[in-house]
Amino acid sequence: AQKITQTQPGMFVQEKEAVTLDCTYDTSDQSYGLFWYKQPSSGEMIFLIYQGSYDEQNATEGRYSLNFQKARKSANLVISASQLGDSAMYFCAMREGRGDNFNKFYFGSGTKLNVKP
Amino acid sequence: DTAVSQTPKYLVTQMGNDKSIKCEQNLGHDTMYWYKQDSKKFLKIMFSYNNKELIINETVPNRFSPKSPDKAHLNLHINSLELGDSAVYFCASRTETGELFFGEGSRLTVL
Repeated sequence: AQKITQTQPGMFVQEKEAVTLDCTYDTSDQSYGLFWYKQPSSGEMIFLIYQGSYDEQNATEGRYSLNFQKARKSANLVISASQLGDSAMYFCAMREGRGDNFNKFYFGSGTKLNVKP
Repeated sequence: DTAVSQTPKYLVTQMGNDKSIKCEQNLGHDTMYWYKQDSKKFLKIMFSYNNKELIINETVPNRFSPKSPDKAHLNLHINSLELGDSAVYFCASRTETGELFFGEGSRLTVL
């Protein structure tokens, strides 16, 4: 089974609007971490935001927030006030918390976001 | 200062050749990784080292051999390159809380 599922291969958003990128995950661990990374066309992977499984509040970093719904096993990324520079590929990832898996990260297939002027 | 640096950034070579990609991190992290990103952008873990010790080897052909001379370096050597090895290879290092910091990637093209 897929550990991380991103069901939106591509999305469009108008500049200055908010956009939500979906991510669901699958784990039986109680301790895990959820991450979002941005990959612009230049190719580098940029860390955006982190949510720990025991964190009660949703993580926020500037215009990025992570809508963490533990019971639904979802970790959607919300980008507020989209900018042209937000156009990129976005990856959701999970780190499981036990044993060897603590060192293993699982990535989703990515969502390509295009911000329209 | 670049936190995780990989060289070379681009590599074009013929089938059958042997090539290496080098990675260095100056973050003081204990754990480093190699990931492969295919043409569909899917990121797949290949190897992980913790303090020079191999801890993850994800069913990668044994033509791929990682080497970690010290905890700041993790190199990837590939023997007998095949067309299917064409991809972007990312090195990454991990913080104690689990964040991954990636290098800029090395785009390998096998002709």
